[in-house]
Amino acid sequence: AQSVTQPDIHITVSEGASLELRCNYSYGATPYLFWYVQSPGQGLQLLLKYFSGDTLVQGIKGFEAEFKRSQSSFNLRKPSVHWSDAAEYFCAVGAGVTGGGNKLTFGTGTQLKVEL
Amino acid sequence: DAGVIQSPRHEVTEMGQEVTLRCKPISGHDYLFWYRQTMMRGLELLIYFNNNVPIDDSGMPEDRFSAKMPNASFSTLKIQPSEPRDSAVYFCASNKNSYHEAFFGQGTRLTVV
Repeated sequence: AQSVTQPDIHITVSEGASLELRCNYSYGATPYLFWYVQSPGQGLQLLLKYFSGDTLVQGIKGFEAEFKRSQSSFNLRKPSVHWSDAAEYFCAVGAGVTGGGNKLTFGTGTQLKVEL
Repeated sequence: DAGVIQSPRHEVTEMGQEVTLRCKPISGHDYLFWYRQTMMRGLELLIYFNNNVPIDDSGMPEDRFSAKMPNASFSTLKIQPSEPRDSAVYFCASNKNSYHEAFFGQGTRLTVV
């Protein structure tokens, strides 16, 4: 069974500082990996995804993530954080098998606070 | 496209009452998913459909929960009878196929008192 670990429950960074949110996954085959962001009272918005190919993927809002198979990681990064980035971030792995759609398993989330 | 549409956005009901949550997926999407989000358990998949057919309902917590998808543009999640521990945010999501990401609705915040 697949699983996702986000070791940091809360992270606080200053506006303009760089950000890295950690994500480790467990999955027997090539994973489909996602980062979603959730603002208070809102649904989940996709930031970026990795299915195959280039291991460094670019997403919306200036985010990027790097897939490292050897480390089973898919960490999210942003070079300069804006106050509007304060939200909860979820890493997810999808089953992606034939007929399985993207049956997602989510991590527990990382709550990002941005200090002005 | 308006995205995945869920209704109602908020629902407050008394214990023992029936609750029905509704979802309209994005047109052309073949998969529909129901997720539940709680503080204790995070985001968990309850059930998903492919082409209106339930494929995996192993996440449905109890027989009190049921889901249907009578056509490609509508799905319901029903809880009967509801209990306070069912209080959560319920999300519906859809995607085109295995090679595309899932799009989420805004969620329904259910409170059972």
